[in-house]
Amino acid sequence: GQQVQQSPASLVLQEGENAELQCNFSSTATRLQWFYQHPGGRLVSLFYNPSGTKHTGRLTSTTVTNERRSSLHISSSQTTDSGTYFCAIDRSSGSWQLIFGSGTQLTVMP
Amino acid sequence: EAAVTQSPRSKVAVTGGKVTLSCHQTNNHDYMYWYRQDTGHGLRLIHYSYVADSTEKGDIPDGYKASRPSQENFSLILELASLSQTAVYFCASSGLGGLSYEQYFGPGTRLTVL
Repeated sequence: GQQVQQSPASLVLQEGENAELQCNFSSTATRLQWFYQHPGGRLVSLFYNPSGTKHTGRLTSTTVTNERRSSLHISSSQTTDSGTYFCAIDRSSGSWQLIFGSGTQLTVMP
Repeated sequence: EAAVTQSPRSKVAVTGGKVTLSCHQTNNHDYMYWYRQDTGHGLRLIHYSYVADSTEKGDIPDGYKASRPSQENFSLILELASLSQTAVYFCASSGLGGLSYEQYFGPGTRLTVL
């Protein structure tokens, strides 16, 4: 079945530095979503991006479907970016079930 | 933005007791999901539903039941709560087609079983 690997598992940055989070998956994905989990637990959808590149603010998501990978780039990091970032992929092509990676825990120091 | 609410937000239950977690969405979405998150881990799917009065098993359904009495409401039921079911539970919803595939999450319910 589909497997999702996120790297790195954790990352510590100084405020202002950029971050690149990776998500690799074992089978073709037709649905891919990036989430941010606040330190308090709330999950927020960042991108629905099964292919191509999307931007919002300081965030950029790039998915290369045939290489089975996606990345999340955070530019000019801020302390409020601290939290955990998850990618999630459909269990099998076209499935409604999402499989989550284990997440990347980001800490941005002032 | 899509609105998914959950109740209660936290609960302490006794081993062997019955627990019901409720989820309500106002997005007119067809799909609803229940996930479980254990400390330091990603989310795992317990049950989901694509239409009222019908539910489907996810990856870890054992020990859980689900109920979808209407399009807006989706409940997760633990008939005999166990210590191993201590976790944070998230409900989500999504629609059909295009960006509607995107899943929107509720705030979570922290369940502690003693």
